[in-house]
Amino acid sequence: QKEVEQDPGPLSVPEGAIVSLNCTYSNSAFQYFMWYRQYSRKGPELLMYTYSSGNKEDGRFTAQVDKSSKYISLFIRDSQPSDSATYLCAMSGATNKLIFGTGTLLAVQP
Amino acid sequence: DTGVSQDPRHKITKRGQNVTFRCDPISEHNRLYWYRQTLGQGPEFLTYFQNEAQLEKSRLLSDRFSAERPKGSFSTLEIQRTEQGDSAMYLCASSDAFQGRHEQYFGPGTRLTVT
Repeated sequence: QKEVEQDPGPLSVPEGAIVSLNCTYSNSAFQYFMWYRQYSRKGPELLMYTYSSGNKEDGRFTAQVDKSSKYISLFIRDSQPSDSATYLCAMSGATNKLIFGTGTLLAVQP
Repeated sequence: DTGVSQDPRHKITKRGQNVTFRCDPISEHNRLYWYRQTLGQGPEFLTYFQNEAQLEKSRLLSDRFSAERPKGSFSTLEIQRTEQGDSAMYLCASSDAFQGRHEQYFGPGTRLTVT
């Protein structure tokens, strides 16, 4: 079993929809949680960073962490075609090395 | 702040050759990380440095791989006697541990193709 599980998709939504992306994890030592966006053949771009449990909002993006359920989510409101990319969840504990999910491929249809 | 840079962006080499990649982190970031990403997968941790000290290496980093960060600024990753299985995107990231920050910022990656 992988430490971090993420549905690879693909996920296709119409423009303007609310997108929900999720990851589950098994290591209770994880306390730093990140979401990255990666366009094809590019490096990952940091979207959201959350420490421990709770919610964080930044523009159209909201990140949620539920440590009791070992479950994290990213919500994208008013999705745009430019949001079409692979979304990677990543997390770390005290060691600082990031453990990534496999990524979810999102396509926002105009 | 120009972000993390990597060079070259793409490298094609023949099996058995040695290759070296360079990473320049965000200035004043004291931690530097190397990851490897294959198609359809998330990045996998290889190694990381705090200043010039290499603090952790993954078991993925076989003895054909070596990384250095001689002056605590840029880093190099060398692969000796390349194999076709080494074909992947090699990503570098940096973070600012002085401020207790754990976010890692990635460069554009070096795509290695071994023929």
